[in-house]
Amino acid sequence: GENVEQHPSTLSVQEGDSAVIKCTYSDSASNYFPWYKQELGKRPQLIIDIRSNVGEKKDQRIAVTLNKTAKHFSLHITETQPEDSAVYFCAASILSGAQKLVFGQGTRLTINP
Amino acid sequence: NAGVTQTPKFRILKIGQSMTLQCAQDMNHNYMYWYRQDPGMGLKLIYYSVGAGITDKGEVPNGYNVSRSTTEDFPLRLELAAPSQTSVYFCASNEWGGGGGEQYFGPGTRLTVT
Repeated sequence: GENVEQHPSTLSVQEGDSAVIKCTYSDSASNYFPWYKQELGKRPQLIIDIRSNVGEKKDQRIAVTLNKTAKHFSLHITETQPEDSAVYFCAASILSGAQKLVFGQGTRLTINP
Repeated sequence: NAGVTQTPKFRILKIGQSMTLQCAQDMNHNYMYWYRQDPGMGLKLIYYSVGAGITDKGEVPNGYNVSRSTTEDFPLRLELAAPSQTSVYFCASNEWGGGGGEQYFGPGTRLTVT
């Protein structure tokens, strides 16, 4: 089955700098890659997603890139702000039937003022 | 809309006890999911449902059972609770299933088995 590895497990950046989180997946059939943000004690919430027919997607300060050949995808956050501090999870799924997400282990991002 | 709701918020069980975690959604979503999140880890899929009367196993189904008698409700049953089932349980739903799009999560149930 699918396996998703996420790095780093913790990341600390200065406010205003950029943050990059990377994930690799094992199943070449996976074609949907969402990123979820989870604040402390809260539920996960989708921040951006990408399908395998697209190489890059951007939404304001957040972007995701996908390299299908290498089977890895990355989350890029620019001009980081204190409210970006949270745990970020990548996931992978096959767009067929139910959306059976396989999650990475998570990255705890801390933005230092 | 209330979205996805879960009860209870917290529960402590003794080893060998049983309980049902409740999940309901008012968005008329066909697709519903149960995940568990162990401390410092990602979410793992326990069971999912593509519609009323249809359920299937996810990555970690052992020790759990589900039913889906209505579109709105998707309860998760724990039989003979074990310490390894100590976790936070999240229910989720989405509209498009495998068509992509956001899964909406409930607030979670924090379960401790001692």
